[in-house]
Order: sequence, then structure tokens, then C-alpha cells
Amino acid sequence: GNSVTQMEGPVTLSEEAFLTINCTYTATGYPSLFWYVQYPGEGLQLLLKATKADDKGSNKGFEATYRKETTSFHLEKGSVQVSDSAVYFCALRGGGYNKLIFGAGTRLAVHP
Amino acid sequence: GAGVSQTPSNKVTEKGKYVELRCDPISGHTALYWYRQSLGQGPEFLIYFQGTGAADDSGLPNDRFFAVRPEGSVSTLKIQRTERGDSAVYLCASSQQATGIYNEQFFGPGTRLTVL
Repeated sequence: GNSVTQMEGPVTLSEEAFLTINCTYTATGYPSLFWYVQYPGEGLQLLLKATKADDKGSNKGFEATYRKETTSFHLEKGSVQVSDSAVYFCALRGGGYNKLIFGAGTRLAVHP
Repeated sequence: GAGVSQTPSNKVTEKGKYVELRCDPISGHTALYWYRQSLGQGPEFLIYFQGTGAADDSGLPNDRFFAVRPEGSVSTLKIQRTERGDSAVYLCASSQQATGIYNEQFFGPGTRLTVL
């Protein structure tokens, strides 16, 4: 069945450091891929998405490229800020289903 | 406009009791989803409504769980004979459409259920 695997956290970085959070998936067909973010005390928010191979999703300085050959959708940001501290979830939707399938989440802590 | 709202925000109950969790989707959204998030895990799908009908209930863990959406707007997730393992945050999401370009799911803040 469809599944998502993302790197375990927590990830601890200093402000302005480069961020990568790895995400790989298993799916039949051509799923859509998403990154959601959960800030402390808030609900899940869509950060970015990509709907087909080689698409790049981007938002708030974050980017992720849909790589079908490696079944990956790694999240990157060139210079993190303290305000980026949150839990990040990789997710997919596909196989004819509308439900989202999430990874376990990666907690990011950015220190000044 | 208002986002997805869920009530109560917290619910503490005793093992064996019955609970109802309510979700108010964004006005005009036809699709509604329930997910369950256990501590340290990502959300897991429970059930999806298109209008009033449950289009996919494959994620409901057993027959103690049931959900309704009688008028195609507000939905209620019902859990009978609660067990300690039901403790989790229950998330609701809605989307304008189930498919197509208006299928982004918007999430509510969740209801934290604790079964003692």
C-alpha cells in the first residue's frame, strides 16, 4: 500500500543554517505530494505541494522537488529562522483515493 | 472567512464511556475528512464524506467508531465504549471539492481526547 517515510527528528539547527528534511514514498500510480507544517499550538497548514514528476513546490523560502526516479520529496530551505521551529509532515495523496497519507513528522528546532 | 472549527478542544472521559466530537467545516466545502493523530505520529485517515455520504470509511479502526454528516455540513465523530488506546488528537479537514484543483484540505485545530 501507499506509505511515506521521513527522517526522524528532532533536527536542531542554528539560525541561518541550511535545512534538509528527507522524505521518500511508496505509491501506485502518480500521487500528489505535500509538506504540511504544525507550529506550536496551531493546526496543520499546507506548506507546499507538487502534483507531478519534476514539479517544484515552494513557499516561504522552502522548496521540494518531486523526484519520481528516487521516489523522494525532500524539503529544503537555504537559511532557517527561529520562527521556522515546528513539526513538518510529508504526505501523499494518490492511488485513486482522496485521503492523505502522512509520515511520522520531523520536529525542527532553530536556535538563535 | 472562518476556518475549520472543532469542539470541544479537549475532552477527558473514562474508559467505557461514549463521546461525540464535532467538526464545522469551511462554509461551502463539500468534502470532509477525519484523521486521528497519536502522540509522536502523523495523522492517520479515518473517514471521508462527500456531501452527506461516507465515500471512504476504510480507516475506521472498528465498529466502536462511527461518523455522520446528515446535512452535508457539520460532522460528528462518535466513539462508543471508549478505550485508553483511543486517546489521541482527532483532526477534521475540509476541502471545496474532493478532486480537481480545489481539493486542498484545510485542517481544524483538533480535539484532544483523553481516556482515563
